[in-house]
Amino acid sequence: SAVISQKPSRDICQRGTSLTIQCQVDSQVTMMFWYRQQPGQSLTLIATANQGSEATYESGFVIDKFPISRPNLTFSTLTVSNMSPEDSSIYLCSVEEAQNTQYFGPGTRLTVL
Amino acid sequence: GESVGLHLPTLSVQEGDNSIINCAYSNSASDYFIWYKQESGKGPQFIIDIRSNMDKRQGQRVTVLLNKTVKHLSLQIAATQPGDSAVYFCAERLQGSNYKLTFGKGTLLTVNP
Repeated sequence: SAVISQKPSRDICQRGTSLTIQCQVDSQVTMMFWYRQQPGQSLTLIATANQGSEATYESGFVIDKFPISRPNLTFSTLTVSNMSPEDSSIYLCSVEEAQNTQYFGPGTRLTVL
Repeated sequence: GESVGLHLPTLSVQEGDNSIINCAYSNSASDYFIWYKQESGKGPQFIIDIRSNMDKRQGQRVTVLLNKTVKHLSLQIAATQPGDSAVYFCAERLQGSNYKLTFGKGTLLTVNP
């Protein structure tokens, strides 16, 4: 399976600021996804990051709050904008490989004060 | 309501015993299911998957059973080891949903030495 890395691995941020999370894959993949995992909870899909076009957002998530870039087939970024303590979560990227299986990165643990 | 859910939020077993983690899903149109293991501080790790045209699939020490009649999925871990302690998530994909996965709540498995 693809090797997926995320930066930063964790961060503590002040409310009102923004943080950009990077996701790097060691091979070219078509489908990349961004998930949020709130403390003690399951995973919720934020958006699908499409190369060469705008991301597709799930209900409850908007581009102004979570802008996403996908400049090529190995890289994507997710920005959490104008943060509040409610944005404290683990943010995970995943990639879809052959046979429709999704593999996840290690996650970025965000705490907003 | 939630499409995918787990009956037991926690499961405690003795080392060497077999573990069974259950998952109920409500959408009969789901055609693909995955089990993930998430250790503390890490991203979800793919364990095993199964498609709706199968009712059983085996991996190394793990078996996934799919009962489409009652919309039930289970993960069996043989000879459970302390390293199996983690949160286990099931995920389903709705046929034609463009690869979107919906995750269940998760079960915390604790293996006692």
